[in-house]
Amino acid sequence: TQLLEQSPQFLSIQEGENLTVYCNSSSVFSSLQWYRQEPGEGPVLLVTVVTGGEVKKLKRLTFQFGDARKDSSLHITAAQPGDTGLYLCAGDREEDSNYQLIWGAGTKLIIKP
Amino acid sequence: ETGVTQSPTHLIKTRGQQVTLRCSSQSGHNTVSWYQQALGQGPQFIFQYYREEENGRGNFPPRFSGLQFPNYSSELNVNALELDDSALYLCASSRRRTAHTEAFFGQGTRLTVV
Repeated sequence: TQLLEQSPQFLSIQEGENLTVYCNSSSVFSSLQWYRQEPGEGPVLLVTVVTGGEVKKLKRLTFQFGDARKDSSLHITAAQPGDTGLYLCAGDREEDSNYQLIWGAGTKLIIKP
Repeated sequence: ETGVTQSPTHLIKTRGQQVTLRCSSQSGHNTVSWYQQALGQGPQFIFQYYREEENGRGNFPPRFSGLQFPNYSSELNVNALELDDSALYLCASSRRRTAHTEAFFGQGTRLTVV
């Protein structure tokens, strides 16, 4: 059982559409991060959220941390082919030592031109 | 400022052999974390090194070991390789050892065990 469940696992949509991916857990997280990973590369950090209810925007990407700090979402507006990649969420749980990140399995996103 | 570099990029080993993977941390970073990413999965935390000492370890057996050197570069050693060790091995460096500190990842080493 994944400690961080990401959904959907796979999403293929047309350019210009909107989408939301989710990251859910039964645990409380001190912080949660979203990464994007391309084939043959390591993950690249997009954003870190630390406060329940926090919303952060990065151009067309909107990230939200749940009020209870157990879940997060990533919304992409007007998706473009350059958004294609594997989106990973990762966080440090309150109950763990503060050095360890727990990772979701990722959402593989394909944006078709 | 140079980024995180890992070597080699690809490696094929036989079951039972030993392997050493290397990671050069980003300038100014004193913490290196190692992860194993199986195909279609998210990364799994192996261990973290902070100022040349192991700072924490995930659920991996003792045949996974590591080192960090005075220049903060690091090695991951895996003994008695098993087929399930086939994966992308990622290292990440950061300025501090706390999990929420921004970490910068290398491109990974793709290990195949046959």
